Amino acid sequence: QSVLTQPPSASGTPGQRVVISCSGSGSNIGRDYVYWYQQLPGTAPRLLIYKNNERPSGVPDRFSGSKSGSSASLAISGLRTEDEADYYCAAWDVSLNGYVFGRGTNVAVL
Amino acid sequence: EVQLVESGGGLVQPGGSLRLSCAASGFTFNYAWMSWVRQPPGKGLEWVGRIRREADGGTADHASPVKGRFTISRDDSQNMLYLQMNSLRTEDTAVYYCVTDGYEVISSGFDYWGQGALVTVSS
Repeated sequence: QSVLTQPPSASGTPGQRVVISCSGSGSNIGRDYVYWYQQLPGTAPRLLIYKNNERPSGVPDRFSGSKSGSSASLAISGLRTEDEADYYCAAWDVSLNGYVFGRGTNVAVL
Repeated sequence: EVQLVESGGGLVQPGGSLRLSCAASGFTFNYAWMSWVRQPPGKGLEWVGRIRREADGGTADHASPVKGRFTISRDDSQNMLYLQMNSLRTEDTAVYYCVTDGYEVISSGFDYWGQGALVTVSS
C-alpha cells in the first residue's frame, strides 16, 4: 500500500486535458515539495515536474503541476499520443525519513 | 551530457549478496547527492536510499525495507556510486536505477536517471 494515492488509470482523446490527482498527508505533501515523473513504456522514468510546479528544461509547457494542502495534481493539456505513459507523484516524508511514491497512473490516449 | 550507467545486476539466490555499481559522467559528481530507486517487474517505483555529497557529510539514509541489509557508498575519485545488497530476499527483485538527487537546483528531485540494472533473487 503506497503512502501517496493516485488513480490507477486515466484517459483522453488527442487534444483533451487530463488531470491526475495525488493524495498524501501532513507528513509528506503537506510538508514538502511534490515531484512528478513520466515513464514511457520500456524506458527509465524522467523528471517532469519539481517543487510542485516547476518544469525542467525540455519539458513542454503542456505539463503543469499544482499543490493544495496535502494533495497535488498533474495536468496534461493538448494530449498527444506520445503522452501515453505511467505517471508517478513523489514527495519526501518526514515521518518515514524517506521519499515516497504513488503507485502510478497509466495514461491512455484513445 | 549526463550519463549514469549501472552494472552488476544478475541472478542471485535468496540470502545471497550482490553489489551494483553506477558510473557517472557529464557532471560534477562530487557536488551531487545520489539516490537509488527500484522498480519490481510490472510495479511502481520505490526509493531505496541516498547518499549526501562529502561537503554535506557524505552520510547515507536507507529506506526501512532495506535498512541493515543494503549499504550505499560512493567513490568521488572514480565518479562511482555503489549499492551493496546483502541478505537478499525474493521481494528485492527489481530494476535498480541510479539517480541524481537535486543536482540541477536544490530540491529539483531525481533529475537524471540511469538505464537501470535488473536484480533477480530466486532459487
